[in-house]
Amino acid sequence: QQPVQSPQAVILREGEDAVINCSSSKALYSVHWYRQKHGEAPVFLMILLKGGEQKGHEKISASFNEKKQQSSLYLTASQLSYSGTYFCGTARAGGTSYGKLTFGQGTILTVHP
Amino acid sequence: DGGITQSPKYLFRKEGQNVTLSCEQNLNHDAMYWYRQDPGQGLRLIYYSQIVNDFQKGDIAEGYSVSREKKESFPLTVTSAQKNPTAFYLCASTVEPLGVSYNEQFFGPGTRLTVL
Repeated sequence: QQPVQSPQAVILREGEDAVINCSSSKALYSVHWYRQKHGEAPVFLMILLKGGEQKGHEKISASFNEKKQQSSLYLTASQLSYSGTYFCGTARAGGTSYGKLTFGQGTILTVHP
Repeated sequence: DGGITQSPKYLFRKEGQNVTLSCEQNLNHDAMYWYRQDPGQGLRLIYYSQIVNDFQKGDIAEGYSVSREKKESFPLTVTSAQKNPTAFYLCASTVEPLGVSYNEQFFGPGTRLTVL
């Protein structure tokens, strides 16, 4: 089942902050975050694992609430280069869902000068 | 440099024709994936392969077929049975067969297929 992202779109001025949320109705093992520029491949940002481990870029901040199956991506002091569509991908452990990610519908972030 | 290549970048086909999209990786990754992306939507999984000579259907496999005869190659065929094949197709790989929970996916540049 597809995770739900909110908001659907965000418009910022340079230097402003934003939070993007990802919520699942299923128990998760990990949450992945990717950013995609128009017409390009998604680029890895971060993985948050059950148990608290995180892997990713140092300048990216995110959280994973295992009890609520929710993750949030924090974008601080935004830059023009942050513009793009942000996707969360969720991984469930066990069963037929093992070994694959299910992606949310995306959040469009636009940063203006 | 290691990475994933997809060819061609743009592909045009007439309705009713089968078409094969290429995906090659030199990352020595075991697992490979095919996603479809429609405008304004997320990535939907078509097929994935965790090891050579084995693959599983994803969420939208109808009208598609794949093969995995070599570790580095995972071609996707869009058949005439696919009702609405026009989309952006992305290939991805992960280092371990079941490691997508723990490891990032590397994506290719994508192929934009347009069926006329």
